[in-house]
Amino acid sequence: AQSVTQLDSHVSVSEGTPVLLRCNYSSSYSPSLFWYVQHPNKGLQLLLKYTSAATLVKGINGFEAEFKKSETSFHLTKPSAHMSDAAEYFCVVYSSASKIIFGSGTRLSIRP
Amino acid sequence: ETGVTQTPRHLVMGMTNKKSLKCEQHLGHNAMYWYKQSAKKPLELMFVYSLEERVENNSVPSRFSPECPNSSHLFLHLHTLQPEDSALYLCASSPATGESYNEQFFGPGTRLTVL
Repeated sequence: AQSVTQLDSHVSVSEGTPVLLRCNYSSSYSPSLFWYVQHPNKGLQLLLKYTSAATLVKGINGFEAEFKKSETSFHLTKPSAHMSDAAEYFCVVYSSASKIIFGSGTRLSIRP
Repeated sequence: ETGVTQTPRHLVMGMTNKKSLKCEQHLGHNAMYWYKQSAKKPLELMFVYSLEERVENNSVPSRFSPECPNSSHLFLHLHTLQPEDSALYLCASSPATGESYNEQFFGPGTRLTVL
């Protein structure tokens, strides 16, 4: 069985400080993992994806994530937050068309 | 127009109404999806179509009826809905649904309110 857990429902950081959004997954085999972002009143946009190549994955807008099999984690990071990063972020685990599991989301707020 | 579009963007309907949501993708993809996004709940995959054939129906009530007349269009027909069906309905498309995950491109969603 697969599952994905986003450990924080809300994260608030100051502009210019690092961002860490945590995601843990459970899968009986090597999964494909993704992070999506959803800005208010918009659809979801893919930030980055891991598909068993390099464990450190770089995405758009300066985000990156590291796949750690031993910790079953796929945390999303960014060195310096920008006001435009305020949004909802979803961690996703995928094994087939019918096995797409979305996390419950983490709302990121940026303080000026 | 590019990407994935959805109409209407907002819909208010009574429980006895019949309405349809429309999704159109201009990306040349072969797979399309319907998702339900409710407040404080994870995104739920409802239906998957690949090359106009339904490949997955995740135990969705029959008051939701999908239709995929071609690879560019996807509809969700609604009838006798319940207030708990109020949610944001998202459409997505991807190049395919094979073993290698294909990035899904999402539309902006239809905000549905059932009175």
